[in-house]
Amino acid sequence: DAGVIQSPRHEVTEMGQEVTLRCKPISGHNSLFWYRQTMMRGLELLIYFNNNVPIDDSGMPEDRFSAKMPNASFSTLKIQPSEPRDSAVYFCASSWLTGGSGANVLTFGAGSRLTVL
Amino acid sequence: GESVGLHLPTLSVQEGDNSIINCAYSNSASDYFIWYKQESGKGPQFIIDIRSNMDKRQGQRVTVLLNKTVKHLSLQIAATQPGDSAVYFCAEKRPVGSARQLTFGSGTQLTVLP
Repeated sequence: DAGVIQSPRHEVTEMGQEVTLRCKPISGHNSLFWYRQTMMRGLELLIYFNNNVPIDDSGMPEDRFSAKMPNASFSTLKIQPSEPRDSAVYFCASSWLTGGSGANVLTFGAGSRLTVL
Repeated sequence: GESVGLHLPTLSVQEGDNSIINCAYSNSASDYFIWYKQESGKGPQFIIDIRSNMDKRQGQRVTVLLNKTVKHLSLQIAATQPGDSAVYFCAEKRPVGSARQLTFGSGTQLTVLP
C-alpha cells in the first residue's frame, strides 16, 4: 500500500484565494482525519469522518473551512477565502476503527504545506 | 483545562546512549496512549502504543512506560541512533466526547549527537 496520499505537497497562494487540499486514505480504512500543525498550536484535529460521514467537526476553525468525503477513497479540505493565519501544514490520516475498544492507530500522510501571502 | 504536555521541549543525547522522553497527561480516564515520531518534512509515524491496563510495553529498541498513579508516560529509546533525531509526540485517547480522536502533546525535539 502506498500509504496516505496527500496533494499538493506545497501550496503558496494569496489571501482571498480558494485552497483545496486532497487526501487518499489507505484502502480498507474506515476513518479519515484532517489535522493542522503549526508551531504555536501543535497538532490540532479539524474534523474526522467514519465510513465517509463527518463525526466531529468541532475543530474546524470557522465557516471558511469545509471538508468532504464523497467516497471511501477520497477527501478534500477546502478553505475559502484563505487568510495568512491559515498558513500551516495540513495532515490527513486514516485508520481502521474497531467498534469496541475505540483504540486507533493513525497513519499520517506526508502533509500539505500551505502558505497564504 | 486538561491537556497532554511534555516535560522537556528539547533533548540532546550522545549516539549510543539511551533516551528517555517524558509526557504528562491530566485525564485519568484516558485509556489508550500512543507515541509518534515526526521527522522533518514528514508526517507523524506510529512508534508504539499502550493501553491503560498495562504499565509497560516493549518494541524494537523502544519501551513505553505508563504510570497511572501520577499520570505519566515515558518513551525509552535504547542505543539511540542518528536516525532517531526527530520530534516525538505522545497522544492520549480520551473517552469523553468524540471517543476515537486522539489529543496530541506539544512534542519533544530529540537530537542525537555524534
